[in-house]
Amino acid sequence: AQTVTQSQPEMSVQEAETVTLSCTYDTSESDYYLFWYKQPPSRQMILVIRQEAYKQQNATENRFSVNFQKAAKSFSLKISDSQLGDAAMYFCALKGGATNKLIFGTGTLLAVQP
Amino acid sequence: DAMVIQNPRYQVTQFGKPVTLSCSQTLNHNVMYWYQQKSSQAPKLLFHYYDKDFNNEADTPDNFQSRRPNTSFCFLDIRSPGLGDAAMYLCATSTKGGIYSNQPQHFGDGTRLSIL
Repeated sequence: AQTVTQSQPEMSVQEAETVTLSCTYDTSESDYYLFWYKQPPSRQMILVIRQEAYKQQNATENRFSVNFQKAAKSFSLKISDSQLGDAAMYFCALKGGATNKLIFGTGTLLAVQP
Repeated sequence: DAMVIQNPRYQVTQFGKPVTLSCSQTLNHNVMYWYQQKSSQAPKLLFHYYDKDFNNEADTPDNFQSRRPNTSFCFLDIRSPGLGDAAMYLCATSTKGGIYSNQPQHFGDGTRLSIL
């Protein structure tokens, strides 16, 4: 079975500061994909960043980057220069290679303090 | 803009009264998903369609059904809603689903279902 664990139910960061959200996962698949999704209150869930397990280089999208540690099965999200609009629930998700299914973690609620 | 559209945003129904939620997409994606998301929880996959092939999750109650009459539309039918079915229902799509696909899922805004 595939699992995703987010051990931080809530996080808080000051505007313009950097925050890291943790995610660990477990899978027996050799090929898989990892995603971070953002869900603002009462708004659409959108993709923040994705990482292919076969790629060693950490993915980066503007202020968002990941630290992918394959051996440790860890996939953390770093948000630099945090903005008020970053406040949302963040879900880490895993997709095994041979399946259409996304397995979500329980989410981390990020608050950004002005 | 191409997108995933869910109607209505808010739905209220009575206990035991059938209800249908709809989802449409302009992305021409071949995979469509329905998730149930309860407050402060992760989305839980109910089922998905790969083209016309229906894939039900083992733990999805029989009370939940789905229809996909064409590529663009997908419906979630709840035959006899119970109080425990009150939740946000999310529709999502993806392209080239299946083996070794890294394509992300694109989500609609969701329909929040309340049961009286």
